[in-house]
Amino acid sequence: DGGITQSPKYLFRKEGQNVTLSCEQNLNHDAMYWYRQDPGQGLRLIYYSQIVNDFQKGDIAEGYSVSREKKESFPLTVTSAQKNPTAFYLCASSEGQVAGELFFGEGSRLTVL
Amino acid sequence: GENVEQHPSTLSVQEGDSAVIKCTYSDSASNYFPWYKQELGKGPQLIIDIRSNVGEKKDQRIAVTLNKTAKHFSLHITETQPEDSAVYFCAASKNFGNEKLTFGTGTRLTIIP
Repeated sequence: DGGITQSPKYLFRKEGQNVTLSCEQNLNHDAMYWYRQDPGQGLRLIYYSQIVNDFQKGDIAEGYSVSREKKESFPLTVTSAQKNPTAFYLCASSEGQVAGELFFGEGSRLTVL
Repeated sequence: GENVEQHPSTLSVQEGDSAVIKCTYSDSASNYFPWYKQELGKGPQLIIDIRSNVGEKKDQRIAVTLNKTAKHFSLHITETQPEDSAVYFCAASKNFGNEKLTFGTGTRLTIIP
């Protein structure tokens, strides 16, 4: 079955630690995205990538980093510089940059203690 | 930048009745308006979208209307069923770009059996 796989589903970390969230897709999509979802707020774009080895900051990139070394993979690192990292993180992909369906993973819930 | 407001934040309707969710946007250049449904513990899924050259679009029990003059668009669900219970997000973007999607804050729809 084609889709987006995010791992881990739940993650607990101590303050000051970097954490990396995994996102893999087998849809052969060019574009991939990371969103953050907080209660009562819409999805906010952290980073996006249109092609391998290229990525762009979204609206709330501070304290996050990404890489896109392979078409299928777009990992997100939440660094210690992110002031409020506890959130639900969603990875998505689309065929291209032009508007069309975003395919989302099931999300990773990060709790920083 | 674009600002999307979504109302109501929660909505309860009797099974079989209709549900309407409304969104307004601020940027008159926005031209793509998707709606996503997020079930508990899952990532959002596209249910319908509309582009600015169309005033209304229907897909079985779901319809979306767009009023460009007033800068608002609405989701209509008829003959609601228990499986319609979810959180619904509207979004808007310009230049048909996924990376420029701005999401509303979501509506939690509960269908009462």
